[in-house]
Amino acid sequence: QKEVEQNSGPLSVPEGAIASLNCTYSDRGSQSFFWYRQYSGKSPELIMFIYSNGDKEDGRFTAQLNKASQYVSLLIRDSQPSDSATYLCAVMVSDTGANSKLTFGKGITLSVRP
Amino acid sequence: DTGVSQDPRHKITKRGQNVTFRCDPISEHNRLYWYRQTLGQGPEFLTYFQNEAQLEKSRLLSDRFSAERPKGSFSTLEIQRTEQGDSAMYLCASSLVFPSGGLETQYFGPGTRLLVL
Repeated sequence: QKEVEQNSGPLSVPEGAIASLNCTYSDRGSQSFFWYRQYSGKSPELIMFIYSNGDKEDGRFTAQLNKASQYVSLLIRDSQPSDSATYLCAVMVSDTGANSKLTFGKGITLSVRP
Repeated sequence: DTGVSQDPRHKITKRGQNVTFRCDPISEHNRLYWYRQTLGQGPEFLTYFQNEAQLEKSRLLSDRFSAERPKGSFSTLEIQRTEQGDSAMYLCASSLVFPSGGLETQYFGPGTRLLVL
């Protein structure tokens, strides 16, 4: 059973709209949550991380975490064509020992239409 | 460039050959991770080091795979007797962790794309 689930997508939004990307995870002990952006043929690039319940904003990006529901999301406001990429949700159980690896979802491909 | 670097960026090999990849982490990062990513999937963990110690290996890492980080700086990942199923992007990531704990963030290199014919 996949431990991190993302809606398969693809997701298409018009330029200027809000894009909402969702992710659920199965391990209740997970402590840290990450969103990586990956352009086609490139490696993942860290764009947001969150570890406390609630919202965390950074520019046009907002990460939301609800540990009770085991749910993490990424909102992209004022979407731009340059935001078109695959967004990977990743979960870390803890930063110690065997639990510090990242477990990734499959990713969701976002397309922003000009 | 102070980011994670990987070499080579692309490798084409014939089935049965051995290949070795190198990763240079961000300077002073004490943790180094290897992941593998196939088309349409997220990266999958292979192994990681804290300084020179290999702390965990995934069940994905068969006996044909070996990784080293001899001086706690750069790392190599070797695949022996390559198979077509080994074709993937091999990603290296590094992070800095402190004994007192705190949030760990991993930064990825550009990857090595392997094609086994």
